[in-house]
Amino acid sequence: AQTVTQSQPEMSVQEAETVTLSCTYDTSENNYYLFWYKQPPSRQMILVIRQEAYKQQNATENRFSVNFQKAAKSFSLKISDSQLGDTAMYFCAFVNTDKLIFGTGTRLQVFP
Amino acid sequence: NAGVMQNPRHLVRRRGQEARLRCSPVKGHSHVYWYRQLPEEGLKFMVYLQKENIIDESGMPKERFSAEFPKEGPSILRIQQVVRGDSAAYFCASSPRDTYPNTGELFFGEGSRLTVL
Repeated sequence: AQTVTQSQPEMSVQEAETVTLSCTYDTSENNYYLFWYKQPPSRQMILVIRQEAYKQQNATENRFSVNFQKAAKSFSLKISDSQLGDTAMYFCAFVNTDKLIFGTGTRLQVFP
Repeated sequence: NAGVMQNPRHLVRRRGQEARLRCSPVKGHSHVYWYRQLPEEGLKFMVYLQKENIIDESGMPKERFSAEFPKEGPSILRIQQVVRGDSAAYFCASSPRDTYPNTGELFFGEGSRLTVL
């Protein structure tokens, strides 16, 4: 079975600091995609960053970057220079064929 | 440039009633997905539809739940004889035919929150 695990229910960080959210997954597939989605209080699901499993280079989107360790099946999200607007639930997700499988989420609070 | 539109945003039903949730995908998108989010949990896949076809309904409860995506009009998620355990946020997402699953990006609506009294 394909599963996604986020072991940190809640995290907090001070504005301008850096925070890392953890995610591990389990699959027997070799080609797949990994994502981090953000869900602010408005509940809209917003794609933050995407990683293709066949690419060794870690994806980066402005202040957001990932540490993708394929052998360890680990996919952490690093948020640099945290902003108040980063406060949200963050979901790690996995897909290899047709449907996204989500983790249970990490609630991130950014403090001023 | 409308995104995925879901309505109603909030729906209250009494036990035993029916709930109908509607989803209009991004214009031009022919793939629709429904996910359910229970309080304090992640999104759980329910069903994947293309126009007039159910592709994968492995996440749908076997009874009381049904979904359709007709040739014309929005996708409908229907829950018959609702029970308190059906209370959740139901999210619809869409993707264009030639993008997903290569990029895996889904465009999500803002969700419909169902409360069963």
